[in-house]
Amino acid sequence: AQSVTQPDIHITVSEGASLELRCNYSYGATPYLFWYVQSPGQGLQLLLKYFSGDTLVQGIKGFEAEFKRSQSSFNLRKPSVHWSDAAEYFCAVVLTGGGNKLTFGTGTQLKVEL
Amino acid sequence: NAGVTQTPKFQVLKTGQSMTLQCAQDMNHNSMYWYRQDPGMGLRLIYYSASEGTTDKGEVPNGYNVSRLNKREFSLRLESAAPSQTSVYFCASSEGPAGEQQYFGPGTRLTVT
Repeated sequence: AQSVTQPDIHITVSEGASLELRCNYSYGATPYLFWYVQSPGQGLQLLLKYFSGDTLVQGIKGFEAEFKRSQSSFNLRKPSVHWSDAAEYFCAVVLTGGGNKLTFGTGTQLKVEL
Repeated sequence: NAGVTQTPKFQVLKTGQSMTLQCAQDMNHNSMYWYRQDPGMGLRLIYYSASEGTTDKGEVPNGYNVSRLNKREFSLRLESAAPSQTSVYFCASSEGPAGEQQYFGPGTRLTVT
């Protein structure tokens, strides 16, 4: 079955530490890939997206993600986490040829310790 | 420029009651979507409208109906609410083509008792 997997339900990091959130997908072809962030009680905001080309994508708020075709992964990274980054992060995909319907992973809740 | 707006923000229903969730966008987007968010399950697509005048089922359409009233507005109706429909509902919109960014509203928290 086609799916998007975020293996880590919760992650805790110290402020200033680096961060990597994992995302794997299982589709035959390379989909469009997205990372969204959701602050408590809010809607979702796009951090970055990958369509094609350079496999390292820069986003807002200092985030980046790297697409690795061989691993079917699209991991989100940040070199130095700020307390305001505490939120829930969702990886999502759109199948090429599937309209613009997003399929979301189950999310990773990030806690930042001061 | 308000983006995507949703009403109401909160709602409590009794089993069997009906209600309509309203969504509007002011970005002149062609496509609109309804998702539900449940703990540990991410967001799941209920219905979407690729363009004005069209609607299609998503992953979890049972128990819901939608209306694309015009280009701006896309409503979600629960005809006979069930406790399983307790969730947070998000509306989103996008310019349209595959891969375009979706913009999300603030959500409606619905409780069915």
